[in-house]
Amino acid sequence: QKEVEQNSGPLSVPEGAIASLNCTYSDRGSQSFFWYRQYSGKSPELIMFIYSNGDKEDGRFTAQLNKASQYVSLLIRDSQPSDSATYLCAVRMIKAAGNKLTFGGGTRVLVKP
Amino acid sequence: KAGVTQTPRYLIKTRGQQVTLSCSPISGHRSVSWYQQTPGQGLQFLFEYFSETQRNKGNFPGRFSGRQFSNSRSEMNVSTLELGDSALYLCASSLDLSSGANVLTFGAGSRLTVL
Repeated sequence: QKEVEQNSGPLSVPEGAIASLNCTYSDRGSQSFFWYRQYSGKSPELIMFIYSNGDKEDGRFTAQLNKASQYVSLLIRDSQPSDSATYLCAVRMIKAAGNKLTFGGGTRVLVKP
Repeated sequence: KAGVTQTPRYLIKTRGQQVTLSCSPISGHRSVSWYQQTPGQGLQFLFEYFSETQRNKGNFPGRFSGRQFSNSRSEMNVSTLELGDSALYLCASSLDLSSGANVLTFGAGSRLTVL
């Protein structure tokens, strides 16, 4: 079992719809959770992070964390073609020293006009 | 404020050679991490440096090494290159806050092709 798992996709959503991405992790003691977006040929850029159970909203993005069920999700509202990218879930595990993040394989999102 | 700068951006090497990649973190960031990204394995952690000390190391062979200088700039070296070392090498810097919300900011990466 991978430490951080994501559905590889592609997740195809029509423009204006909500894209829902999920991520599960194995380390129950994990502390912080990050969502990065990576366009093809580019490096990952941070969308948002969350470390408390519940929802956190930032613009069109909402991160949801459920530590009891060990999953974190990302909702993209009013999806735009420019949101087409790979979304990486990253977890800072309690067993990890320093700033090490463990990444999932990413979910590719395609927003169709 | 300048971002994370990685050099070179692209390089081609042959098997058996060695390569050195450089990373300049965001000003004020003292933690520098390195990741390898390949289509098959995704983003994998190589190592992290803080205050010139390796604080964490991933599961890579000893051919992969790194160091950090007093100005927080970091280099990583791969010796005896293999075809499987072809990848995008990403450097990320962060502040070292006591909270768990330390955010990694990535550089543009160095794309290494081994022939």
